[in-house]
Amino acid sequence: NAGVTQTPKFRVLKTGQSMTLLCAQDMNHEYMYWYRQDPGMGLRLIHYSVGEGTTAKGEVPDGYNVSRLKKQNFLLGLESAAPSQTSVYFCASSRDPTLAYEQYFGPGTRLTVT
Amino acid sequence: AQSVTQLDSHVSVSEGTPVLLRCNYSSSYSPSLFWYVQHPNKGLQLLLKYTSAATLVKGINGFEAEFKKSETSFHLTKPSAHMSDAAEYFCVVSEANQAGTALIFGKGTTLSVSS
Repeated sequence: NAGVTQTPKFRVLKTGQSMTLLCAQDMNHEYMYWYRQDPGMGLRLIHYSVGEGTTAKGEVPDGYNVSRLKKQNFLLGLESAAPSQTSVYFCASSRDPTLAYEQYFGPGTRLTVT
Repeated sequence: AQSVTQLDSHVSVSEGTPVLLRCNYSSSYSPSLFWYVQHPNKGLQLLLKYTSAATLVKGINGFEAEFKKSETSFHLTKPSAHMSDAAEYFCVVSEANQAGTALIFGKGTTLSVSS
């Protein structure tokens, strides 16, 4: 049982390049989330999904797109990377959060945009 | 809308002394509250959660937190700090009435433990 995994762990992009971050979970969770973590800001929600085939915007969605084609995977895309997107990205999954089930986090992806 | 305020961005203690990390929340409804810990270059791990059962919640590694509705607080404590407790701690709120809403994180408190 691997929990939540993220690929890649590190990436350096040039401004304007694109990339996709992959998140996978093996706990059969319905809900999945993408956060970014910046110094002194805590974690901020980018997008989330309440089930296969669904996505929704979080607090800071601009410049990102997501897809949830399979229940176990949640992809985060950057179409045209900007230096402001330099951050650490965390994926998480959970059962129904309205019932106070905790979120399980992946190890993070450190992205640098030059 | 709900929000979370962690009152200290950095707390320093000596090994063996008590730890207090303070958190206040704002919520229109009965909230669920969590404390997560993040060790350097690691993901986040759940320490404990409050879900309207007992107001004193015990978590892993000797941590506990007390929910005080009158003070809208959910402070995290530990009687005796250990070097391995050095990490960043996040207080988090979730409102049960908003289906699909993700957690709202505080900005974090960095705990330093000296020998």
